[in-house]
Amino acid sequence: EPEVTQTPSHQVTQMGQEVILRCVPISNHLYFYWYRQILGQKVEFLVSFYNNEISEKSEIFDDQFSVERPDGSNFTLKIRSTKLEDSAMYFCAGSSGTGASIYGYTFGSGTRLTVV
Amino acid sequence: SQKIEQNSEALNIQEGKTATLTCNYTNYSPAYLQWYRQDPGRGPVFLLLIRENEKEKRKERLKVTFDTTLKQSLFHITASQPADSATYLCALPFSGGYNKLIFGAGTRLAVHP
Repeated sequence: EPEVTQTPSHQVTQMGQEVILRCVPISNHLYFYWYRQILGQKVEFLVSFYNNEISEKSEIFDDQFSVERPDGSNFTLKIRSTKLEDSAMYFCAGSSGTGASIYGYTFGSGTRLTVV
Repeated sequence: SQKIEQNSEALNIQEGKTATLTCNYTNYSPAYLQWYRQDPGRGPVFLLLIRENEKEKRKERLKVTFDTTLKQSLFHITASQPADSATYLCALPFSGGYNKLIFGAGTRLAVHP
């Protein structure tokens, strides 16, 4: 069964440093998403991406965050200057249907980001 | 504002029994509702989608109901097994945006042998 692959599985970074989280979506997916989950809390929407541009973003997704699909396959989330409160599990997800109205989302296994 | 509520207390049941989990929502008229399973340290896994015009959906030992009048969905696992132990998340599309799925906090299910 096709999988969404995320790397690295765990990243430790100093506060103020830039991090790039990477995702390889399933090839026939058209819609891509980043979510985060702070330990013990709910899965929170960050951003959705379709046709090489952002289609929705949350209040969390401020100017410190950016997303790209640099080579038509990989999908990245960049945090420019990390803060302690950015420590969380970050999930990439994809869907082949409009807004997951048909097939649901396929999530990756996540990147655990620890900011120290 | 839109709210999704799931029972925050863990549900403990005996193997073989039926587990029933609840998802309530307010200030919302979603076109569909989804259920996901999440294991510790892993991403959510899609289980079932039910549309607003469907009362019930089944998949193997899983059954979901959707009552748009009560603004509630029930998720049932029949003949539960210890392997069903996980957190179950309810998710709805955000009405203000067509491409944004919002998750409830989830209910942890523990099935004991």
